[in-house]
Amino acid sequence: QVQLVQSGAEVKKPGASVKVSCKASGYTFTSYGISWVRQAPGQGLEWMGWISAYNGNTNYAQKLQGRVTMTTDTSTSTAYMELRSLRSDDTAVYYCARDKEYFDYWGQGTLVTVSS
Amino acid sequence: SYELTQPPSVSVSPGQTARITCSGDALPKKYAYWYQQKSGQAPVLVIYEDSKRPSGIPERFSGSSSGTMATLTISGAQVEDEADYYCYSTDSSGKEVFGGGTKLTVL
Repeated sequence: QVQLVQSGAEVKKPGASVKVSCKASGYTFTSYGISWVRQAPGQGLEWMGWISAYNGNTNYAQKLQGRVTMTTDTSTSTAYMELRSLRSDDTAVYYCARDKEYFDYWGQGTLVTVSS
Repeated sequence: SYELTQPPSVSVSPGQTARITCSGDALPKKYAYWYQQKSGQAPVLVIYEDSKRPSGIPERFSGSSSGTMATLTISGAQVEDEADYYCYSTDSSGKEVFGGGTKLTVL
């Protein structure tokens, strides 16, 4: 069965970086893209960007351009999302989701807390 | 930047029909998708390509789209349908966007 398993919770200081992983199983990794979606406490869903697991092409949300980098490792079927220059308003649950026109499978979410 | 607009909340009694709307300028040319999110859980796709229902989603969930508005309809809403619902689509440049979400209360 399709599974996306994300890395564990992180606590970071303002200005630091965080890298969240998303290990896929149960399907051909390179046949789908991976999108990253975050949700601040009590807020709605925010699409952060997408990466093709086939060729590494990316498409980032405009507001995160320059701070976010998405990569994949096809040898381990793992996607990564790195967010730099963290601020308090980056505190959120970060989800990866399998993306082929829409998100049909989601990871369990990774809580990233940014606090001094 | 592109926006999808949803009502913040919708409330119905059990057995009634709930309708949640989503408006966006690109919807005449782009599909709408709907996600259900229950407290503390990851979202679940309930409608894709405006009106298609994934396997395992109850028949009471349906979707439609006309002009700049997409609608999620829950016919005979159940208490277990109480959740936040998000529409999702893309703009003309391929940027993906969620609506602000609608809290559905069934009581």
